[in-house]
Amino acid sequence: GAVVSQHPSWVICKSGTSVKIECRSLDFQATTMFWYRQFPKQSLMLMATSNEGSKATYEQGVEKDKFLINHASLTLSTLTVTSAHPEDSSFYICSARERGGGRVGFEQYFGPGTRLTVT
Amino acid sequence: GNSVTQMEGPVTLSEEAFLTINCTYTATGYPSLFWYVQYPGEGLQLLLKATKADDKGSNKGFEATYRKETTSFHLEKGSVQVSDSAVYFCALIFTGGGNKLTFGTGTQLKVEL
Repeated sequence: GAVVSQHPSWVICKSGTSVKIECRSLDFQATTMFWYRQFPKQSLMLMATSNEGSKATYEQGVEKDKFLINHASLTLSTLTVTSAHPEDSSFYICSARERGGGRVGFEQYFGPGTRLTVT
Repeated sequence: GNSVTQMEGPVTLSEEAFLTINCTYTATGYPSLFWYVQYPGEGLQLLLKATKADDKGSNKGFEATYRKETTSFHLEKGSVQVSDSAVYFCALIFTGGGNKLTFGTGTQLKVEL
């Protein structure tokens, strides 16, 4: 159980276009989803926290107008990279926290990631 | 702020060798500590965790002990296998910090026959 999927697994887009990445919790309801960015040989950097039915909370330095996050249901969150540029090329990973899960609610389940390449 | 420091990789071992990956942390208060594993082409999976001092997390032959006095959570395995080749991330969560995970930079482990 506790499976999180991401779609697409990889995408190539042209500079200036937008691309949407989906994150789904397949067998549980996720009140909170997190979006991370991972650079080669580096750690995961938290971009934003997404709560179902409310606006996402962005980490310092992350442009909210560039990385649009929507968490419209308890099983789906989307990240849209708008007007993508080559420097946005990265590995994007989402995670989901189960509704009411855990003593302190900290258990997160991770998706397999999406490789974005902007040409 | 909170931070996690891991030993740099890659770590290359022969099968059946003993593994230690060091992890130390800086945090105000007493966080919960985790080890995640990322196999090639896959997302992160929780390997083990410890929520308070002196707790030992264990799974799949891996173990780590939460040492408050040295602010460490070193990962160990007595006999590694080729299938253990992956990137290992140490992480902490501090409930006073919005339940956000803070990750170390990851340590790549390569196990050879």
